[in-house]
Amino acid sequence: QVQLQQWGAGLVKPSGTLSLTCSVSGGSFRHYFWTWIRQPPGKGLEWIGDIDHSGSANYNPALKSRVTISVDASKNHFSVNLSSVTAADTAVYYCARGGYAGSGSPDYWGQGTLVTVSS
Amino acid sequence: EIVLTQSPATLSLSPGESATLSCRASQSISNYLAWYQQKPGQAPRLLIYDAFNRATGIPARFRGSWSGTDFTLTISSLEPEDFAVYYCQQRSDWPLTFGGGTKVEIK
Repeated sequence: QVQLQQWGAGLVKPSGTLSLTCSVSGGSFRHYFWTWIRQPPGKGLEWIGDIDHSGSANYNPALKSRVTISVDASKNHFSVNLSSVTAADTAVYYCARGGYAGSGSPDYWGQGTLVTVSS
Repeated sequence: EIVLTQSPATLSLSPGESATLSCRASQSISNYLAWYQQKPGQAPRLLIYDAFNRATGIPARFRGSWSGTDFTLTISSLEPEDFAVYYCQQRSDWPLTFGGGTKVEIK
């Protein structure tokens, strides 16, 4: 059974950096892409980007200048950093398992973390 | 980027009725479309991938189909637990994108 457990700061100051980490248990970490998705309160879903075990990452161009996704394959962890945050970055952030050997449709999801950008 | 347009925004139905949800892609995405169900306070749940394949554990009343750039999710005989928001998502090209969602509510 694949499980994703995520953690990170729930409150970030404007202009600061949002940081979240996701731990994966069960299944193969090596053969999948690992994804970050966010959802502003009451709104739809936005794909942030994904990464494979080797560190090859894809990003949403709308966020590319501010986002970094990294991986620690030795721990089955992957992380997202989003810099220069504003109130518009307030959202529930989800980690998820993406496609097999490529970007795909996430099938297993973390529990979500509400990140609020406020001073 | 590929834009996915979902319709209708809201569908008001009674349990036992059938639901038809639509998702139109702004360009060809082959059959690389998935459908998700989301309930309040929960992460999305994958229902259908690659247009018509049911994900593990998804009941047969959920059926996906497509023609060209038009995709359809049909839920036959709605159960009380099916009332939720449904999103489509394409994996044909980066950035991966989602539709705006259709809310299926109890009439």
